[in-house]
Amino acid sequence: DVKVTQSSRYLVKRTGEKVFLECVQDMDHENMFWYRQDPGLGLRLIYFSYDVKMKEKGDIPEGYSVSREKKERFSLILESASTNQTSMYLCASSFFGQGVSDEQFFGPGTRLTVL
Amino acid sequence: QKEVEQDPGPLSVPEGAIVSLNCTYSNSAFQYFMWYRQYSRKGPELLMYTYSSGNKEDGRFTAQVDKSSKYISLFIRDSQPSDSATYLCAMLGSNYQLIWGAGTKLIIKP
Repeated sequence: DVKVTQSSRYLVKRTGEKVFLECVQDMDHENMFWYRQDPGLGLRLIYFSYDVKMKEKGDIPEGYSVSREKKERFSLILESASTNQTSMYLCASSFFGQGVSDEQFFGPGTRLTVL
Repeated sequence: QKEVEQDPGPLSVPEGAIVSLNCTYSNSAFQYFMWYRQYSRKGPELLMYTYSSGNKEDGRFTAQVDKSSKYISLFIRDSQPSDSATYLCAMLGSNYQLIWGAGTKLIIKP
């Protein structure tokens, strides 16, 4: 069974704090993704990584950075949290296979509130 | 205009009804179409995917793609309370990234 775990289910931080969100997958997937999910906007891709130490910007990378030092772990960093980063953050992983529609497996999400 | 449009609902129907969930899109180059289901306080999980036009059936679920109208649908027959969830459509963009709809919240009333 594919398992994607995220370090926290709920997180409350103050404006200006540095925030780390951790994601770990146990299926040896090459690809890992960070999304944010907001009502009415669906899932928006922040960053993704297709290999260790590799990263690519998604649609909304501003205010975020990522780190992938090990294949199974992908971290999202908010350098200086702001109230407009209050959201649900979802991590996902998938194989880098031949099928371009490779299924993405999601973690349970981290609901981040920035006060 | 968003590339993928999906009515956020909520859509509330009685148990046993046939449910129709829909998305429209603007990019005629999309070829792969997916439906994910997301239960409350969980991440999305893939329900079905189809390639190009046509229908695909899996148990009570049927996915339909009409490329000429840029319209995709997910039908649920004999709906159950356990089908209550948010359903998200997603399409593969030209850069091999998924383009997501906003999700439709579905409520099946016992």
